[in-house]
Amino acid sequence: DVKVTQSSRYLVKRTGEKVFLECVQDMDHENMFWYRQDPGLGLRLIYFSYDVKMKEKGDIPEGYSVSREKKERFSLILESASTNQTSMYLCASIEAGRGDGYTFGSGTRLTVV
Amino acid sequence: KNEVEQSPQNLTAQEGEFITINCSYSVGISALHWLQQHPGGGIVSLFMLSSGKKKHGRLIATINIQEKHSSLHITASHPRDSAVYICAALYSGNTPLVFGKGTRLSVIA
Repeated sequence: DVKVTQSSRYLVKRTGEKVFLECVQDMDHENMFWYRQDPGLGLRLIYFSYDVKMKEKGDIPEGYSVSREKKERFSLILESASTNQTSMYLCASIEAGRGDGYTFGSGTRLTVV
Repeated sequence: KNEVEQSPQNLTAQEGEFITINCSYSVGISALHWLQQHPGGGIVSLFMLSSGKKKHGRLIATINIQEKHSSLHITASHPRDSAVYICAALYSGNTPLVFGKGTRLSVIA
């Protein structure tokens, strides 16, 4: 069964902390995405990556960075967490050039206090 | 900017009712996705379609390319259908999906 695994289901961090959200997929997908989901706003794209060491800004990259050192792992980094980054974070992956087969992780609910 | 609009935002139905959720998009797309998210759960892909109609069990998705519009229908709705339904457009090739804001469906027994 193919999977996108996010390391934590729930996370509570303090303002100013550096936060790492990890996403691992076992499908050898080239393309990986990080979204945040907020009530009334839906899913918004933070960053995406089409290959190892490549990254592209999405619609709301401010306050975030990413790392893709290996094909299967795409990390989202909050350099200095703030309360407005409290949200549900979702990772997704898909094989390059495919229109179908998007697979989502189960999400990490991050609370910044 | 490519956009996806969904309606209604919230929907409450009695068990057994026929349900329709609508999605419209701004310019030509290569494919449209319908996704489902149960409360506290992850997102699951229901359909991807680029033309015509697809059916899976009680779920039916249609798309009208000329009118830039897609619908998700649920026949004989059941409380377990209660979830957020999201449409998302793939505008070209490798570009990321563009998501609608979702429709929160509650089916009451």
